[in-house]
Amino acid sequence: LAKTTQPISMDSYEGQEVNITCSHNNIATNDYITWYQQFPSQGPRFIIQGYKTKVTNEVASLFIPADRKSSTLSLPRVSLSDTAVYYCLVVYNAGNNRKLIWGLGTSLAVNP
Amino acid sequence: DAGVTQSPTHLIKTRGQHVTLRCSPISGHKSVSWYQQVLGQGPQFIFQYYEKEERGRGNFPDRFSARQFPNYSSELNVNALLLGDSALYLCASSSTGGGGTEAFFGQGTRLTVV
Repeated sequence: LAKTTQPISMDSYEGQEVNITCSHNNIATNDYITWYQQFPSQGPRFIIQGYKTKVTNEVASLFIPADRKSSTLSLPRVSLSDTAVYYCLVVYNAGNNRKLIWGLGTSLAVNP
Repeated sequence: DAGVTQSPTHLIKTRGQHVTLRCSPISGHKSVSWYQQVLGQGPQFIFQYYEKEERGRGNFPDRFSARQFPNYSSELNVNALLLGDSALYLCASSSTGGGGTEAFFGQGTRLTVV
């Protein structure tokens, strides 16, 4: 059964690096891992996406080990405005049916 | 360029009624996905359409249906509404819907069933 698991909440302070790990044990070889950020009353916003090893963009890095059963979103030097819920999304391809499985979200609180 | 637009933004329905939610993707995007998000939980995948064909379906009852039009806009229909259908319904568009494609979300439609 496809499942995506991540911590419910995390606390941090301004300027720190935050790492959020997601487990996706049943990921298939051709599935991508995507992370989204969501603020209250808004739709999710794309952060980063990867398939293997490491991906970096202007806001985050994504680390994916060789077995691909987990992934870690890294947010460098967080600020108060990074307080939000972060979701891990894995696309599972089962024949002609694609299922987009979201984690329950990690509520990140950044403190001054 | 306009982002993903959803209508209406809010609506209230009575149990047993039917509802139609609409989504216009970003210009040039051919894939639309629908999600249900209950307060305090992550989005639950309902459907994905690409080039007017269903590409994926989540674990929702047959009361939920959707379609995509030639202009790539989409409708989500829910029949025989239940109180538990109250949620934020999100639409996302992407260029192809395949792996490695970034999806852009609308602001959602807040449905309340009373």
